Amino acid sequence: GNSVTQMEGPVTLSEEAFLTINCTYTATGYPSLFWYVQYPGEGLQLLLKATKADDKGSNKGFEATYRKETTSFHLEKGSVQVSDSAVYFCALGGGADGLTFGKGTHLIIQP
Amino acid sequence: GAVVSQHPSWVICKSGTSVKIECRSLDFQATTMFWYRQFPKQSLMLMATSNEGSKATYEQGVEKDKFLINHASLTLSTLTVTSAHPEDSSFYICSAIKGRLDSPLHFGNGTRLTVT
Repeated sequence: GNSVTQMEGPVTLSEEAFLTINCTYTATGYPSLFWYVQYPGEGLQLLLKATKADDKGSNKGFEATYRKETTSFHLEKGSVQVSDSAVYFCALGGGADGLTFGKGTHLIIQP
Repeated sequence: GAVVSQHPSWVICKSGTSVKIECRSLDFQATTMFWYRQFPKQSLMLMATSNEGSKATYEQGVEKDKFLINHASLTLSTLTVTSAHPEDSSFYICSAIKGRLDSPLHFGNGTRLTVT
């Protein structure tokens, strides 16, 4: 079956630091890949997605590239802000089958 | 737009009682909704897929007689936890698809259920 593994947190960084949150997956077929973000007190929001190999999803300065050869979809941002503090979920799937989520990574950005 | 409202946001109930959680798509029609459950420090686990006008499809290991799902209209799906026990305490979250099946999911804010 499908599974998603992402680095466990919390991840604590200083403002303007470079961010990488690792995500690897196992799946049958060629699923779409997603990063969702949950800000404090809010619901899950789609951050970015990629639907096929070598696609790069980007939004709000975050990027992730669908790497089929390494079955990875690592989330990166060049310079994080305090407002990026949230829980980030890597997920795969979509459509009628729903999503398979990773455990979530709690990111804390300190001023 | 594409707002999903989930109610209540938190609920405390006594063991043996039933609790109903509502998931509404406020500004779109959702033919398909999903219910997830999240245990502390664990992934969101898909419980069931809810299609309007038909029976829900449950994931393996999810008791359909315990977690009753009804999708009576294109804007409302309900999850009823029957005869709740402390081990049912968890975070339940719904999501809905707006438009085509390959469209992004829109999530509710979740419901924290505590069974005492």
